[in-house]
Amino acid sequence: NAGVTQTPKFQVLKTGQSMTLQCAQDMNHEYMSWYRQDPGMGLRLIHYSVGAGITDQGEVPNGYNVSRSTTEDFPLRLLSAAPSQTSVYFCASSYSSYGGYTFGSGTRLTVV
Amino acid sequence: QKEVEQDPGPLSVPEGAIVSLNCTYSNSAFQYFMWYRQYSRKGPELLMYTYSSGNKEDGRFTAQVDKSSKYISLFIRDSQPSDSATYLCAMKASNTGKLIFGQGTTLQVKP
Repeated sequence: NAGVTQTPKFQVLKTGQSMTLQCAQDMNHEYMSWYRQDPGMGLRLIHYSVGAGITDQGEVPNGYNVSRSTTEDFPLRLLSAAPSQTSVYFCASSYSSYGGYTFGSGTRLTVV
Repeated sequence: QKEVEQDPGPLSVPEGAIVSLNCTYSNSAFQYFMWYRQYSRKGPELLMYTYSSGNKEDGRFTAQVDKSSKYISLFIRDSQPSDSATYLCAMKASNTGKLIFGQGTTLQVKP
């Protein structure tokens, strides 16, 4: 099992560019989430999904889109990157509503 | 006001000390409580998981939940330099995918 795989590991974007952060899990988990981590802010929930075709907003959804067409994949799209989106992004998954989450290794994004 | 509050520290203790980490929360619907450990430049890893109130022990780690006070704790006994990391509390309500984290506490255990 690879667990939760995030790509790319590092990315530099220019303001206004768009990109997609990829997240895949091979554990057949229904629940998947995206977080961003900034110094002193802990992990803040961006979007989450409770199964294929079902997504919802978290604490800081503005500027990000998600979709969940398969159980395995949960990509995060930045439509028009802004310097405020410079952060470390983590994807996580869980097998149920009451289970613990397994995290990926993160994507370090810098917007200049 | 954030739903989950956690003192960011940093907290520095000598090797062998007992460490106490705490979080408070405001949402009475939270039922599942977790502690994650995160080493520098790594993803968080699940350390302890507790449902509802009570204590749970795993080796040197003990998690406590007091729902009446909306307060959770993590105790680390005989702390080791390898315990130096950021500890994040997290919690969620039933039947939801929203796992909410505290700010994290940075712990340093000095040899």
